Amino acid sequence: DQQVKQNSPSLSVQEGRISILNCDYTNSMFDYFLWYKKYPAEGPTFLISISSIKDKNEDGRFTVFLNKSAKHLSLHIVPSQPGDSAVYFCAASNNAGNMLTFGGGTRLMVKP
Amino acid sequence: ETGVTQSPTHLIKTRGQQVTLRCSSQSGHNTVSWYQQALGQGPQFIFQYYREEENGRGNFPPRFSGLQFPNYSSELNVNALELDDSALYLCASSLGTPPYEQYFGPGTRLTVT
Repeated sequence: DQQVKQNSPSLSVQEGRISILNCDYTNSMFDYFLWYKKYPAEGPTFLISISSIKDKNEDGRFTVFLNKSAKHLSLHIVPSQPGDSAVYFCAASNNAGNMLTFGGGTRLMVKP
Repeated sequence: ETGVTQSPTHLIKTRGQQVTLRCSSQSGHNTVSWYQQALGQGPQFIFQYYREEENGRGNFPPRFSGLQFPNYSSELNVNALELDDSALYLCASSLGTPPYEQYFGPGTRLTVT
């Protein structure tokens, strides 16, 4: 029973364009949602988070949107850069914060 | 500020053996979590420690156990290794406050033959 799903295993975009990564969840008890980026041979790196009481959070080129009614969140990267090429994971936490539930990841490739 | 470190980087063990993986938390973090990441999948939560006490556990059997020390470093022990235990083991530390972002080490690649 996957509580967090990333249905697109891969995404390819041109440098300078927008990258949109999607994530769906099933557990209504999740209170916080986080995005991580992972390069090969490194651990996941925290990018941005959003609380369930918000619908948008922005940090530089990264914006996360949350649609609670649809149980859907997305990460927008504008403009995309070749260095953004990595695997992106969405994760969710309940209010206790004692575990993160991860999706399966989406591999983003940004072409120069 | 020192990040999360893990040792060893790689490890090869035989089925039935026992293994201990180590993690040093990021400076100032009192909470440490362990995850197992199989190839092509997202990290799966094993357990979390807060101030030396287990603070949550995922769907892993009791042969996966852990410790947290007074300096907030941590160990993950796995007994009676099985072939399916082959994975990347990730340690993450955090402050344990919202939005509960965790900071990951580079991981230990465990291969069980």
